[in-house]
Amino acid sequence: RKEVEQDPGPFNVPEGATVAFNCTYSNSASQSFFWYRQDCRKEPKLLMSVYSSGNEDGRFTAQLNRASQYISLLIRDSKLSDSATYLCVVNPSGGYNKLIFGAGTRLAVHP
Amino acid sequence: DAGVTQSPTHLIKTRGQQVTLRCSPKSGHDTVSWYQQALGQGPQFIFQYYEEEERQRGNFPDRFSGHQFPNYSSELNVNALLLGDSALYLCASSRLARGGTDTQYFGPGTRLTVL
Repeated sequence: RKEVEQDPGPFNVPEGATVAFNCTYSNSASQSFFWYRQDCRKEPKLLMSVYSSGNEDGRFTAQLNRASQYISLLIRDSKLSDSATYLCVVNPSGGYNKLIFGAGTRLAVHP
Repeated sequence: DAGVTQSPTHLIKTRGQQVTLRCSPKSGHDTVSWYQQALGQGPQFIFQYYEEEERQRGNFPDRFSGHQFPNYSSELNVNALLLGDSALYLCASSRLARGGTDTQYFGPGTRLTVL
């Protein structure tokens, strides 16, 4: 079983749609959680950290369920510029700062 | 404030050759991690350097080695290149010293092609 699993997509949605990505992780002792965004042939860029209480940044909302070892990302009012691959990322042991990435979910927003 | 920089941007090598990739961390960062990203996959952790020592290593063979310099910059060396080493090599920096967090910032990567 992979340490971090994501639905690979692609998700093809119209502008203005709401889209949700899910991710599960296998190590119950994992400390930190993130969503990164990666544009084609570019480096991953931090989108947001994910906290147990849930957190929101504009149109983006992230949720963490430690009991189910499940992370989600909700994008509201999708824009063309949201088209990218979204990587679910887990730090299994905060002190050592090693990131485990999912394979990514590709999002394509069309007019 | 300069972000993470990497060189070269692209590299073409043949099987059996050796390659050195370079990374300069973001200003104020003291830790460098290296990742390999194959096409269609998420980045995979190679190793991490802090205080000029390798702190952690992923599941990569000894052909992959690295170094961190006193100015926190780092090199990744790969010996005896295989076709399967073709990938995007990403460097990420963070600050582990007091006051830092585990957020990592990535450089633009070096795209290595092995023929």
